[in-house]
Amino acid sequence: GEDVEQSLFLSVREGDSSVINCTYTDSSSTYLYWYKQEPGAGLQLLTYIFSNMDMKQDQRLTVLLNKKDKHLSLRIADTQTGDSAIYFCAETLSGGSYIPTFGRGTSLIVHP
Amino acid sequence: EPEVTQTPSHQVTQMGQEVILRCVPISNHLYFYWYRQILGQKVEFLVSFYNNEISEKSEIFDDQFSVERPDGSNFTLKIRSTKLEDSAMYFCASSEEGADQPQHFGDGTRLSIL
Repeated sequence: GEDVEQSLFLSVREGDSSVINCTYTDSSSTYLYWYKQEPGAGLQLLTYIFSNMDMKQDQRLTVLLNKKDKHLSLRIADTQTGDSAIYFCAETLSGGSYIPTFGRGTSLIVHP
Repeated sequence: EPEVTQTPSHQVTQMGQEVILRCVPISNHLYFYWYRQILGQKVEFLVSFYNNEISEKSEIFDDQFSVERPDGSNFTLKIRSTKLEDSAMYFCASSEEGADQPQHFGDGTRLSIL
């Protein structure tokens, strides 16, 4: 079955870049997502990438996909204290129901 | 920007009681979902709903659970005979036509079973 793994914590200094990594096991992924969860809030869709893409950029966010290594990353440029949150990686599979499988989430802590 | 809204934000219920969690999906969305997140664990899929019927459900979604769209705007999750292990955050989500459309989540209901 599919599995999505993320490291649990990342701490960065304000103004630096953050890179949050995710690995997945199923090579038939179609879409890969990044969601952000702030304290007490739901999952906010940040960005997503189709599996035939290598990269997607949206303002301060850059998503890189390495299909060979089944590795997805989210880079946040010029990280701000407001970026502190839990970031969830998720994938959906081809031929399936497009129900995403989530990782455990990475807690990003941004300190001054 | 339109959003998914969930009520209540926090529900405290005695074990064995029934609870109904409510969601108002985004108005032009046609697919609806419930997920749960037990504290410290992954977000888990429960059920998806389309065209007034369940389209998919996980093994978690057993006879204790049911969903309903009682009117044109609400989407509810009912949990009967609640157990301590039902304590979790429950998230509702919705998406547009096309099962591959990204899902938009509400802020969740924290369910605490005592």
